[in-house]
Amino acid sequence: GQQLNQSPQSMFIQEGEDVSMNCTSSSIFNTWLWYKQDPGEGPVLLIALYKAGELTSNGRLTAQFGITRKDSFLNISASIPSDVGIYFCAGQTWNSGNTPLVFGKGTRLSVIA
Amino acid sequence: ETGVTQTPRHLVMGMTNKKSLKCEQHLGHNAMYWYKQSAKKPLELMFVYNFKEQTENNSVPSRFSPECPNSSHLFLHLHTLQPEDSALYLCASSQDLRGGAVEQYFGPGTRLTVT
Repeated sequence: GQQLNQSPQSMFIQEGEDVSMNCTSSSIFNTWLWYKQDPGEGPVLLIALYKAGELTSNGRLTAQFGITRKDSFLNISASIPSDVGIYFCAGQTWNSGNTPLVFGKGTRLSVIA
Repeated sequence: ETGVTQTPRHLVMGMTNKKSLKCEQHLGHNAMYWYKQSAKKPLELMFVYNFKEQTENNSVPSRFSPECPNSSHLFLHLHTLQPEDSALYLCASSQDLRGGAVEQYFGPGTRLTVT
């Protein structure tokens, strides 16, 4: 089945630093989604990407749909303590209807004040 | 209520008990999902319903039994579970599977502990 490789698995950064994480796949995806999950809660959708090369921002977050359609990147600028959590990428392909999302294993972000 | 809600938020049950998890979405969506989230594993898709019809059963053991009476409600009936079934169970919804927007919106989850 399709798999997503998400890296890094975890990050420890100082407050104010920028953060980068990425997701790669051996398969082509039509859609990339990025979620954040706080402890004890469900994932919350941050950004959705639909076109190769697309660059989309949501506040301090910026995500890109890779040109090859096999990867995506998420950047967080000027991190703050509430950015702590697990960030998941998810990819989806079209096959005579929407196929289920494939999720990465997540990047656990810790911010040191 | 807005978004996707799940009850209960926490559940402890013995291996011989029968319990049910409930999910309700207030987004006007037609597709609903059950996921299992265990520590250090990717989200595992369990079941998918589209317009009340089950479209996916991801080789889930029969001790998990889903029910979708309408597009807004989804249940997961549990019986004779095993300790390894302890996990966070997440419900999600999306527009539909016929070409609608693929974004899934998640509930807060039910933390299940099987003793």
